[in-house]
Amino acid sequence: DIVMTQSPDSLAVALGERATINCRSSQSVLYNSDNKNYLAWYQQKSGQPPKVLIYWASTRESGVPDRFSGSGSGTDFALTISSLQAEDVAVYYCHQYYSTPYTFGQGTKLEIK
Amino acid sequence: QVQLQESGPGLVKPSETLSLTCTVSGGSITNYYWAWIRQPPGKGLEWIGNIFYSGSTNYNPSLKSRVTISVNPSKNQFSLKLTSVTAADTAVYYCARGGRWTHMWGQGTLITVSS
Repeated sequence: DIVMTQSPDSLAVALGERATINCRSSQSVLYNSDNKNYLAWYQQKSGQPPKVLIYWASTRESGVPDRFSGSGSGTDFALTISSLQAEDVAVYYCHQYYSTPYTFGQGTKLEIK
Repeated sequence: QVQLQESGPGLVKPSETLSLTCTVSGGSITNYYWAWIRQPPGKGLEWIGNIFYSGSTNYNPSLKSRVTISVNPSKNQFSLKLTSVTAADTAVYYCARGGRWTHMWGQGTLITVSS
């Protein structure tokens, strides 16, 4: 199985400031034949199902604000929120769909400082 | 607008079989992959497996001997069966659409395993 490790486990950022969450995979999730990284990011607010923000490591899902961006390739990835809003308080998960069993990071809890 | 809704008993006894159904409304089940994902209380996400509308499946090896996912296109439903449950199977169970990333989720249903 591919192990996904996120850092930090929790993060407190002031409103309007930048938040960055990191994700590392135990093996590359870059598929050479199509040059795509098989990685997604989800946001889960309290009491709700997860919501996809980013797929293919950097493609924003329709309707997701452009303050959310994804970057990275191979084994190291990041989710950046450029200017934190109050509604961004949530747990964030990275997810690899390169090979089954698909796996998730342990989650990063994002709070307001 | 496509919506997914899980249904099933909220309480299952140890050693028994957990059975859940996901009903897809507002769209067809055909031409898509459908998945089950679970989340123990206060913990992270675990991918259980998925199924294509034609019936081909992928399972998490950690659960493979106990899991069956099936699809009923005529009812626009797909289902999960998990046998020989223990307290470790207590979780919110989500059904979702997507063969890679999951871009549509049900609200989830809490299944508690207890006698």
